Amino acid sequence: DAGITQSPRHKVTETGTPVTLRCHQTENHRYMYWYRQDPGHGLRLIHYSYGVKDTDKGEVSDGYSVSRSKTEDFLLTLESATSSQTSVYFCAIRPGQNYEQYFGPGTRLTVT
Amino acid sequence: GDSVTQMEGPVTLSEEAFLTINCTYTATGYPSLFWYVQYPGEGLQLLLKATKADDKGSNKGFEATYRKETTSFHLEKGSVQVSDSAVYFCALSGGGGSEKLVFGKGTKLTVNP
Repeated sequence: DAGITQSPRHKVTETGTPVTLRCHQTENHRYMYWYRQDPGHGLRLIHYSYGVKDTDKGEVSDGYSVSRSKTEDFLLTLESATSSQTSVYFCAIRPGQNYEQYFGPGTRLTVT
Repeated sequence: GDSVTQMEGPVTLSEEAFLTINCTYTATGYPSLFWYVQYPGEGLQLLLKATKADDKGSNKGFEATYRKETTSFHLEKGSVQVSDSAVYFCALSGGGGSEKLVFGKGTKLTVNP
């Protein structure tokens, strides 16, 4: 158990509304990541963080922003949700010096 | 940039059959290689890993060997069970010092009793 929780686990929202997803870890790891999973695309990196207030973009960052004001929390915000952002969102952490990552249970987001 | 290519599924096997899921990669430097498994409705779990050439990762009867000469990391299991039904993802990280995980598109495995 990597000690990662995501909230909410399921959300339905309307086009144009803001949405914030939360990732919480219990072990104070430096690196945290947000991915989206879509059929035929595998997992794609949205944003990642390498410390409090230190974040960078991934390959599919358009339409998303992130914030990390505490080590344990990494927030993903969709400022104005679109139907193309309907997806399953996974948070991950990377402990220590190794490169493996451990994933949370995911948030299924539907934008209508 | 770095990339991972894995065999497209779906793969359907009978219980106790031999499993191979092919994975090849393109990367700078010397990446670490991973197999993740995703059971229905769940997140990804790290199944096994290898960090340098000729390393063999193993877990739960699954094995994969890091082959630098063929840039491959094929997943194998000698006798699959119904409970192995899941989606399997090959991934790499650390190529050229990058901490980002790069995933293949996944292979869905169904094992029938």
